[in-house]
Amino acid sequence: KQEVTQIPAALSVPEGENLVLNCSFTDSAIYNLQWFRQDPGKGLTSLLLIQSSQREQTSGRLNASLDKSSGRSTLYIAASQPGDSATYLCAVHTDKLIFGTGTRLQVFP
Amino acid sequence: DAGITQSPRHKVTETGTPVTLRCHQTENHRYMYWYRQDPGHGLRLIHYSYGVKDTDKGEVSDGYSVSRSKTEDFLLTLESATSSQTSVYFCAIGRTLAGGPNEQFFGPGTRLTVL
Repeated sequence: KQEVTQIPAALSVPEGENLVLNCSFTDSAIYNLQWFRQDPGKGLTSLLLIQSSQREQTSGRLNASLDKSSGRSTLYIAASQPGDSATYLCAVHTDKLIFGTGTRLQVFP
Repeated sequence: DAGITQSPRHKVTETGTPVTLRCHQTENHRYMYWYRQDPGHGLRLIHYSYGVKDTDKGEVSDGYSVSRSKTEDFLLTLESATSSQTSVYFCAIGRTLAGGPNEQFFGPGTRLTVL
């Protein structure tokens, strides 16, 4: 059974720091991996999708990498801002989308 | 924004009553999904649809049914609501990718409380 783990569960940092959020999964047979952001009381916003044939994807200050063989993905956030405060979820796509439990990020001024 | 709306956004109901949640999309995607989100469990798939009148069960389908009579609407029904179905319900659409499963985009959610 595929399991997705995100570490750390919570993170509090000062503005301007570069961050790494980690996602690990137990079965490397995935089609793609998707990173989401969720603000309190809101829906999920898709940030990046990495297909299984890709190693990384970039969008603005965000960079996500994928190492299927080791079952790991990282989301790198450059020059963090208070507006980045949210919960970040990774999800792996097998025959369905399986979510991790998220990393709750707080960036303080 | 993938053009997904959910209604109602909030609902309080009593145990034993039927409840229907609606998901509406404007982009004509084939795949639609219903998830629930609970503390400690994350997001779990309830049902999904791969076309009009084509639906299948997800991980936590007991107590729920779905219908899709037209491409743009996917309905989730709780036939007889129970307190364990108190949750936040999210609808998603799947945007098809070449050569593989789709990229999913989520609606704003419906907060359901069953008293």
